[in-house]
Amino acid sequence: GESVGLHLPTLSVQEGDNSIINCAYSNSASDYFIWYKQESGKGPQFIIDIRSNMDKRQGQRVTVLLNKTVKHLSLQIAATQPGDSAVYFCAEKTGGNQFYFGTGTSLTVIP
Amino acid sequence: GAVVSQHPSWVICKSGTSVKIECRSLDFQATTMFWYRQFPKQSLMLMATSNEGSKATYEQGVEKDKFLINHASLTLSTLTVTSAHPEDSSFYICSARTSTGKFYGYTFGSGTRLTVV
Repeated sequence: GESVGLHLPTLSVQEGDNSIINCAYSNSASDYFIWYKQESGKGPQFIIDIRSNMDKRQGQRVTVLLNKTVKHLSLQIAATQPGDSAVYFCAEKTGGNQFYFGTGTSLTVIP
Repeated sequence: GAVVSQHPSWVICKSGTSVKIECRSLDFQATTMFWYRQFPKQSLMLMATSNEGSKATYEQGVEKDKFLINHASLTLSTLTVTSAHPEDSSFYICSARTSTGKFYGYTFGSGTRLTVV
């Protein structure tokens, strides 16, 4: 499989602050990336995706940034809420249909 | 739309028995489904890619004779853990490839927690 890693295994933020979760990937041929959120005992939930021909994509309260030069991906969550507490994974797809997941970052929002 | 249903959500079985997990796409046809395994506090590890009407493709290190995958229709893939042992206890998750309007992505089931005693 591919190697996708995260810089920080845990992250705590104050409610209302912005959160930034980072991800490093190793395969420069990866053409598509997805950020997932996983709550305890549940399957991953799609947050936002980005193709390799883009540098930035915005959703509702979330922004994904892609830096292909250093093979780095980040997820920014604006005005973090308690409901955002979960484990966040980045996943990369190469030429095939398989996705390979990173280690995961556990986000805790402090009320 | 794009719902993937997984059943059962939780199963306990005795060592040596077999367990079947179902993954269904409820409102779309999934020519490709993926099976992952996740141990506590770890990431999702891809086990195999299930293609409708053909043999599954297994990732390196995954025993195909132990984890039997059948994708007999465009809406159903099954994973059977044969002769289960306690080390097979894990969270098994399936996903299916979807293409819905502007969204192109992969939808995941809710997972099956397998405990082998």
